[in-house]
Amino acid sequence: EIVLTQSPGTLSLSPGERATLSCRASQSVSSNFLAWYQQKPGQAPRLLIYGASSRATGISDRFSGSVSGTDFTLTISRLEPEDFAVYYCHQYGSSPLTFGGGTKVEIK
Amino acid sequence: EVQLLESGGGLVQPGGSLRLSCTVSGFTFSTYAMSWVRQAPGKGLEWVSAIGDSGGRTYYADSVRGRFSISRDNSKNTLHLQMNSLRADDTAVYFCAKGAYGSGHSSYFDYWGQGTLVTVSS
Repeated sequence: EIVLTQSPGTLSLSPGERATLSCRASQSVSSNFLAWYQQKPGQAPRLLIYGASSRATGISDRFSGSVSGTDFTLTISRLEPEDFAVYYCHQYGSSPLTFGGGTKVEIK
Repeated sequence: EVQLLESGGGLVQPGGSLRLSCTVSGFTFSTYAMSWVRQAPGKGLEWVSAIGDSGGRTYYADSVRGRFSISRDNSKNTLHLQMNSLRADDTAVYFCAKGAYGSGHSSYFDYWGQGTLVTVSS
């Protein structure tokens, strides 16, 4: 099973700042099959990024994903008020599908 | 507009059973794999089970294999999760999620339902 470790657990930032979220895989993720989701309280997760760096339909270009080896990064270039939420990474390259523990982006 | 609506959650005693359903609209249900993903209160996401587009292939997390059964009725655009021998650690919000592909289960999830809460307690 691929374990995904997200860091930091909590990121305290101000609107307009840049957010950098990390997701490290315990082993290689096949074809960089990694997605990022945003979840707000009481809501379902929303797909942001798939294939490590492809933005989902309707997602702002403030969100970008990158990969280096087994290290995946989600970057939010300029935080808007609606971006404060919990973010999860998810690998779908091998079974079982697994999720990271999440990073909470909170208002500083 | 793609919509997924879960139902069937509730309070059940340990050892009991429950059947969840997810009714979908806005896309051709029969051509996409579907999954169930759960989230325990205050915790992260856990993939539970998946089923291929035709229903011929099913996949389970080790934590539920042998207790849960996933199925689909493509004529009714409905996904099911039969949960037996429920335990306290099965308590969670259960989301149905649409896979981006038809076959297999190795897919990201492009649409999610709002979830249904399952509470296992005596």
